[in-house]
Amino acid sequence: GAVVSQHPSWVICKSGTSVKIECRSLDFQATTMFWYRQFPKQSLMLMATSNEGSKATYEQGVEKDKFLINHASLTLSTLTVTSAHPEDSSFYICSSRVSGLQTYTGELFFGEGSRLTVL
Amino acid sequence: AQSVTQLDSHVSVSEGTPVLLRCNYSSSYSPSLFWYVQHPNKGLQLLLKYTSAATLVKGINGFEAEFKKSETSFHLTKPSAHMSDAAEYFCVVIPREAAGNKLTFGGGTRVLVKP
Repeated sequence: GAVVSQHPSWVICKSGTSVKIECRSLDFQATTMFWYRQFPKQSLMLMATSNEGSKATYEQGVEKDKFLINHASLTLSTLTVTSAHPEDSSFYICSSRVSGLQTYTGELFFGEGSRLTVL
Repeated sequence: AQSVTQLDSHVSVSEGTPVLLRCNYSSSYSPSLFWYVQHPNKGLQLLLKYTSAATLVKGINGFEAEFKKSETSFHLTKPSAHMSDAAEYFCVVIPREAAGNKLTFGGGTRVLVKP
């Protein structure tokens, strides 16, 4: 199956700093990537939909200035948590479909996730 | 509108015994349904999917699920649990005709396998 690589797996940062998380599709082109946030023992919450070459679409309640998303190529999307605070500590997961497949039948391929801890 | 309900937040089974994870959905459109598994601090891996063909779907690692339209259910089963099955499982629905095809996740079911 298609592979989505996410980096870093773990990151610890100081409050007030910014952290960038990368999501790469290794063997397919991804026109669209999705970013999720997952709190402990909870389900995934869609944060935003990232579209190559255009602005991301954010879900209601997600601060677009806090969570900057860039999708500059067909294989790379990045999520930058700006001025991070302890409440931003969470597990962030990206996913994508293979471009060209009908979206309702093509499954999502997920990255391994990135655990952010803000001190 | 659509929703997914996983009826059990936790399931505990003994190794070698059957596993049943229940999922009910509601959707204004004909759905595609998926089951994903997540091991600790990992991403999600697809177990199986239903997209309108056979209603009994076989997946990886011995899992299978049956789509029952009359009951709006898509329960996941495995005849014999293995220790490696201990993980979090998510039922996911995508409405086929809806613009954007936005996924809806169930709340997850945590499976504990006892030796």
